[in-house]
Amino acid sequence: GDSVTQMEGPVTLSEEAFLTINCTYTATGYPSLFWYVQYPGEGLQLLLKATKADDKGSNKGFEATYRKETTSFHLEKGSVQVSDSAVYFCALILNSNTGKLIFGQGTTLQVKP
Amino acid sequence: EAGVVQSPRYKIIEKKQPVAFWCNPISGHNTLYWYLQNLGQGPELLIRYENEEAVDDSQLPKDRFSAERLKGVDSTLKIQPAELGDSAVYLCASSLGRGQAFFGQGTRLTVV
Repeated sequence: GDSVTQMEGPVTLSEEAFLTINCTYTATGYPSLFWYVQYPGEGLQLLLKATKADDKGSNKGFEATYRKETTSFHLEKGSVQVSDSAVYFCALILNSNTGKLIFGQGTTLQVKP
Repeated sequence: EAGVVQSPRYKIIEKKQPVAFWCNPISGHNTLYWYLQNLGQGPELLIRYENEEAVDDSQLPKDRFSAERLKGVDSTLKIQPAELGDSAVYLCASSLGRGQAFFGQGTRLTVV
């Protein structure tokens, strides 16, 4: 079935380090892809999205490129801050007519000063 | 603009007791979702409403879970009776049609 797989966490980085969180997906058809972030004590927030192959989503210094050939949507940031500490979820919507999000298991990022 | 509001934020109940969660979506959002998030996992859809109609409830365990969305606005998710395995975070989200989903802060349920 349709699914999303993320790299295991937690990921611990020092401030200003480069971040990559891997995400791969399995889907029939052509999904839209998303990254959501969950800060401590808060709800899920959309971080960025891409709706077709080769699209790049970006927001707050984070980027992810929709790679159809590798079925991947890896999240990257060039220089992380302590305030980026959160849980990051990769997700897909297989059919925009349903709006049903399928999430990965989440990756915890901890950034140390 | 107010976001998706859920209550309560936390609930502790004994097993076999009933529990209910309430969600108030963003004003004007006709689509409402309930997701279940187990510890260390991503959210999974329980039920999706378009206005007052449940259009996808295939993942809702109907023997003990029920939901309603009267008048197509607020929604209530109920569990009766609760089991230990129901301990999780219950998330509500809303969207305008098939647009971006906005999530509430969730209700953390602990069944003891």
